[in-house]
Order: sequence, then structure tokens, then C-alpha cells
Amino acid sequence: RKEVEQDPGPFNVPEGATVAFNCTYSNSASQSFFWYRQDCRKEPKLLMSVYSSGNEDGRFTAQLNRASQYISLLIRDSKLSDSATYLCVVLSGTASKLTFGTGTRLQVTL
Amino acid sequence: GAGVSQSPSNKVTEKGKDVELRCDPISGHTALYWYRQSLGQGLEFLIYFQGNSAPDKSGLPSDRFSAERTGGSVSTLTIQRTQQEDSAVYLCASSLTSKGEAFFGQGTRLTVV
Repeated sequence: RKEVEQDPGPFNVPEGATVAFNCTYSNSASQSFFWYRQDCRKEPKLLMSVYSSGNEDGRFTAQLNRASQYISLLIRDSKLSDSATYLCVVLSGTASKLTFGTGTRLQVTL
Repeated sequence: GAGVSQSPSNKVTEKGKDVELRCDPISGHTALYWYRQSLGQGLEFLIYFQGNSAPDKSGLPSDRFSAERTGGSVSTLTIQRTQQEDSAVYLCASSLTSKGEAFFGQGTRLTVV
């Protein structure tokens, strides 16, 4: 089983739609969680951290379910500019190593 | 600069030659990662340095790949006897372990011809 698993997509949604991505992780002792965004031919960039109580940043909401070991990202009112690959990232282990999922591709269309 | 810096940004090399890729992490960041990404694929973990601990080399694909980090700062990734399948973008990232967020450089695009 992979340490971090994501549905690769692609998710094709119209502008204005709400879309949700899930991610599962295998290490129950994982410490921190993040969502990154990667545009085509660019480096990944931090989108938001994921806190135990859930957190929101504008149109983006991240949630963590430790019991089921999954993380979610909800994007409301999708914009064309949201088209990208979204990477789930988990920090775990005594060495505090970051592990990236393979990413979920989102394409927002007119 | 304030960000992670990688050089060169592009490298074309002949099959069988050795290449060195360089990464300058953000000052004070104790953790440093190397990943590679082939076109249309996800990030493939290569190696992880954390402070003075022994590096996690579990992602290096073969003994042609090696990396070092001198003085806890700059890192070089060396690929010996390059093969065409080594062609990819090599990404470096650094982070403060206590916070965990990793910041990436813009990558080195390696093409082996």
C-alpha cells in the first residue's frame, strides 16, 4: 500500500462548481498534513496546511479525519485559474519526512 | 535570495556522461529533499537529508545516483553514466521540520540524448 494515495483524476468541472478531493494515508502516527498545488511545468507550491479541526481559506476548505486516515480538500465556486494538479502531503516518522501523493488533476472549464 | 535555488535550470547531456545538480536551500532549513518528476507523472522521492542524521536514501533508483549535503546547507545530486530514462525534472525542496511546509526550487530539467 502506498503511504499516500490520491485519485489521479482528471476531474473536469464547469466554472462555479464545487469539487472535492480525498486523500488517504497509511501511517496512523502521521503528524502534519498539507495540500500543494502544481501548475503545468511548474514546481509544487503550498496551498494550505490541514488542521485537526478543519480550516478554511477563502474558497478552499481542508479537513482531516484521523480515525479514517484521510484528508479532504473542497473547492467552492471553481475558477478557470484553479485548473492544476493538487498534491496531498503527509509529514510522518521519527525523522519527520514529507511524503507526497501522486496528485489529482483538476480541469475547470467554461 | 529568499527561496530555494537550483542550478542549472536546464541540462542536456550525452548518454554515459556524469552530471551534477545543485540545490541551495532556504537559509536555516534543516530538511532537504530531492525528487524527480517525469513528464505527466507524480513526484518520485529520491533522498532526504535532516540535520546531521544519516540521509534517507531509500528512493535512489540505482547506485548511479548519489547525493551529498555539505555543511548542512548546499546539496548536490550526482548521476553517473547517465541513461535516457534519467531524463526528468529534478526538484529540490527544503523545510523547517517543526513546521513541515516544504518550499521547492524551480527544478533542473535534465535531458539525456
